[in-house]
Amino acid sequence: QKEVEQNSGPLSVPEGAIASLNCTYSDRGSQSFFWYRQYSGKSPELIMFIYSNGDKEDGRFTAQLNKASQYVSLLIRDSQPSDSATYLCAVKGDQGGKLIFGQGTELSVKP
Amino acid sequence: GAGVSQSPSNKVTEKGKDVELRCDPISGHTALYWYRQSLGQGLEFLIYFQGNSAPDKSGLPSDRFSAERTGGSVSTLTIQRTQQEDSAVYLCASSQYNSPLHFGNGTRLTVT
Repeated sequence: QKEVEQNSGPLSVPEGAIASLNCTYSDRGSQSFFWYRQYSGKSPELIMFIYSNGDKEDGRFTAQLNKASQYVSLLIRDSQPSDSATYLCAVKGDQGGKLIFGQGTELSVKP
Repeated sequence: GAGVSQSPSNKVTEKGKDVELRCDPISGHTALYWYRQSLGQGLEFLIYFQGNSAPDKSGLPSDRFSAERTGGSVSTLTIQRTQQEDSAVYLCASSQYNSPLHFGNGTRLTVT
């Protein structure tokens, strides 16, 4: 079992729709959760981080964390073609350990 | 301020040669990571430095790979006797303790 798992996609949504990206992790001791966006040929850039169970909203983005289910998700409201990219979920264990990335989900937003 | 700087940005080398990749983290960042990303793949963890603690080398794929971090700042990733499967983008990132990572632009390594 991979430590961090994501559906590779591609996930295709129409412009203006909600995109839902999902991630599961295997280490129950994980404490910190991050979503990064990576455009083709570029380095990953941070979108959001979440540490506590529940929802965290930032503009059009909402991160959701459920530690009991070992599940973290990212919702993108009012999706735009510029949101088309690969979205990487990253999880860090307790005691500030290494950050492990999932394989990423490719999102395509169609005009 | 200055971000994470990696050099060279591109490196082409012949199979069997050794290569060194350099990373200058953001000043004051105690954590430094190396990842490898093959074409169309996710980020593969290689090694993690945190302050003066012993590095977590659990992701290094073979003993041909090594890394060091001098003075808690600059880091060098060395690949000995390169193989074609080593071709990838090598990404360095740094952070404050337990804070989000800031990535460099990467070094694209091509082994011919």
